[in-house]
Amino acid sequence: EVQLVETGGGLVQPGRSLKLSCVASGFTFSSYWMYWIRQAPGKGLEWVSSINTDGGSTYYPDSVKGRFTISRDNAENTVYLQMNSLRSEDTATYYCAKGYGSYFDYWGQGVMVTVSS
Amino acid sequence: DTVLTQSPALAVSPGERVSISCRASEGVNSYMHWYQQKPGQQPKLLIYKASNLASGVPARFSGSGSGTDFTLTIDPVEADDTATYFCQQSWNDPTFGGGTKLELK
Repeated sequence: EVQLVETGGGLVQPGRSLKLSCVASGFTFSSYWMYWIRQAPGKGLEWVSSINTDGGSTYYPDSVKGRFTISRDNAENTVYLQMNSLRSEDTATYYCAKGYGSYFDYWGQGVMVTVSS
Repeated sequence: DTVLTQSPALAVSPGERVSISCRASEGVNSYMHWYQQKPGQQPKLLIYKASNLASGVPARFSGSGSGTDFTLTIDPVEADDTATYFCQQSWNDPTFGGGTKLELK
């Protein structure tokens, strides 16, 4: 059974940093692209970052480029999201998702990040 | 960015057929996917590449379309289908529609 478990969320002040983790199980982690997707309270979904199988290629939308960094440890079956210079508009539930081709076939339960003073 | 437009809400009676539309601002070939999200839960993949049913998803769900216009159909609708449905394209950097909230009468 595929499982994705995110941790690391919480309340953080604007301008500070936070690092999310997502531990995967139930599939060959090193064979799949991984993604972070977020959802602001009561809003829609926004792709945040992508990483290829060996971690050598990463992708971001303009809204987080230069502030967020995705990485992975295939030995630990874990994908990370380092979030720096956080803003109030980054407040959201952050989901880790497994990619299959060009879509997201499994999602974690999500972790809440609140950016507020 | 490719903008995906969905109707915000629909209300149908159990047993009826419902079609949820998604229009892309530019052609995305068949790289359109559909997700169901129930309150307090993570999204769940329903349909991939426009018309392919994801594993474990009931055959009541189907998808169609290509280019800029896509449709998710549920027939017949059941009470458990109350949820928000999102489309997502992957022809370019991933983007999602705003979601269609399906309510049952």
